[in-house]
Amino acid sequence: KAGVTQTPRYLIKTRGQQVTLSCSPISGHRSVSWYQQTPGQGLQFLFEYFSETQRNKGNFPGRFSGRQFSNSRSEMNVSTLELGDSALYLCASSLDRNNYGYTFGSGTRLTVV
Amino acid sequence: AQKITQTQPGMFVQEKEAVTLDCTYDTSDPSYGLFWYKQPSSGEMIFLIYQGSYDQQNATEGRYSLNFQKARKSANLVISASQLGDSAMYFCAMRERVTGGGNKLTFGTGTQLKVEL
Repeated sequence: KAGVTQTPRYLIKTRGQQVTLSCSPISGHRSVSWYQQTPGQGLQFLFEYFSETQRNKGNFPGRFSGRQFSNSRSEMNVSTLELGDSALYLCASSLDRNNYGYTFGSGTRLTVV
Repeated sequence: AQKITQTQPGMFVQEKEAVTLDCTYDTSDPSYGLFWYKQPSSGEMIFLIYQGSYDQQNATEGRYSLNFQKARKSANLVISASQLGDSAMYFCAMRERVTGGGNKLTFGTGTQLKVEL
């Protein structure tokens, strides 16, 4: 079966712009989580969605937001981009609310110039 | 305080040898899960092995095994018969329940493994 699909793979944006990243989970998976990976901070939790509801959010400013649609696909949005937002953004899907297994996508590499 | 600690920034191992990557954790959640992921230079996080806090036996998946010592709060990954394709960054991660509902993964800083001929 198809894995977790993240689009686009690469993005270059200018400071001040906004960006939307997409994640399509494995078919049948209802939970989607997002993580940011940078050389300085490592891997950090952004948010988790289950059945279109945000269950929890990491310690990120309000410029970072997301949503989940009825087909479990998820998007995350970053407004007013800053240079420090340059990172690999990873999405993970899980079958249900218990999150016994996380399958990650290949990530979206965002560069802010 | 660090919740997941990986003390080996880099490791070298010869092909066909076994290697152990260290991971210690700290949590007050009695129902947690421990994961190991491999991240090649392409960036994708590849699931290797999972150990639940209530699992009695150490997890194994092919050449990967997890040495789970609950009292010591350690979950070391053992890779047997290393292959050149095992060269990558390896992350230990812990799933914890979050106040208010849901779960999240907390990652260690990773160990860069290099397999040599």
